[in-house]
Amino acid sequence: GAGVSQSPRYKVTKRGQDVTLRCDPISSHATLYWYQQALGQGPEFLTYFNYEAQPDKSGLPSDRFSAERPEGSISTLTIQRTEQRDSAMYRCASSREGAGSSTGELFFGEGSRLTVL
Amino acid sequence: GQSLEQPSEVTAVEGAIVQINCTYQTSGFYGLSWYQQHDGGAPTFLSYNALDGLEETGRFSSFLSRSDSYGYLLLQELQMKDSASYFCAVMWGKLIFGQGTELSVKP
Repeated sequence: GAGVSQSPRYKVTKRGQDVTLRCDPISSHATLYWYQQALGQGPEFLTYFNYEAQPDKSGLPSDRFSAERPEGSISTLTIQRTEQRDSAMYRCASSREGAGSSTGELFFGEGSRLTVL
Repeated sequence: GQSLEQPSEVTAVEGAIVQINCTYQTSGFYGLSWYQQHDGGAPTFLSYNALDGLEETGRFSSFLSRSDSYGYLLLQELQMKDSASYFCAVMWGKLIFGQGTELSVKP
C-alpha cells in the first residue's frame, strides 16, 4: 500500500477482554516494528520482524502480549486479558531495509488508540 | 541497554534558530535518527547520522559525535508550524527513542 495502515484506529474494551490490532505495512518493506506510546512520551519499542522472523521481542511488557507476521507482510499485535495499564497508543512502523543496516528511517502508521475500562 | 537524554521543553521565537541536544548510552550503535511528531500524530522521519559530522536537509541540520555519544538537531528560520515534539532515536538492530523535546515556537 501507499503507507502504513493500522486498524482499528480506536478500540475501547473492558478489562479482561482480548484485543487484536492490525498493521498493514508499506508493500515490500522488510522490517516491521511495534511500539507503544503513552501521552507525552516517546514511542517504546515492543518487538520487530524481519519478514516473518521475529528476532527481538524484548520490549513486550508481559506474556499477555504477542505479535505475529506469518507471511512476512501484515502483522497483528494481540493483548490477552487486557488491563487498564495497557491503555495507550500502539504504533506500527515499517522500513525498507532489514533492521541492522538502515538509514534509520521508519514509516509510521497513524496508530491504534486502545482504552481499557 | 540503551538510554537517551534530551531536554523536555524548548521555546523559541519565529525566525530564530534552535538546537535540540541528545546524549545517548547504548550497547551498540549504527546511527542517530531524528523524528518530528505533531499533536500525537504519526512520527515522521527528519534525518539520520551514521557518521560524525553535520547533515543538512533544508532548514534542518543534524550533527553527530560518536566519540562523545552526542548529537543535536538544528532548526533554522523557525516557523510556527515547527511547533511539535522532536525525538532522537538510536538505531541498533531496532530503533530506540528518547522521551522527546516539545518545541514551542512563539510569534
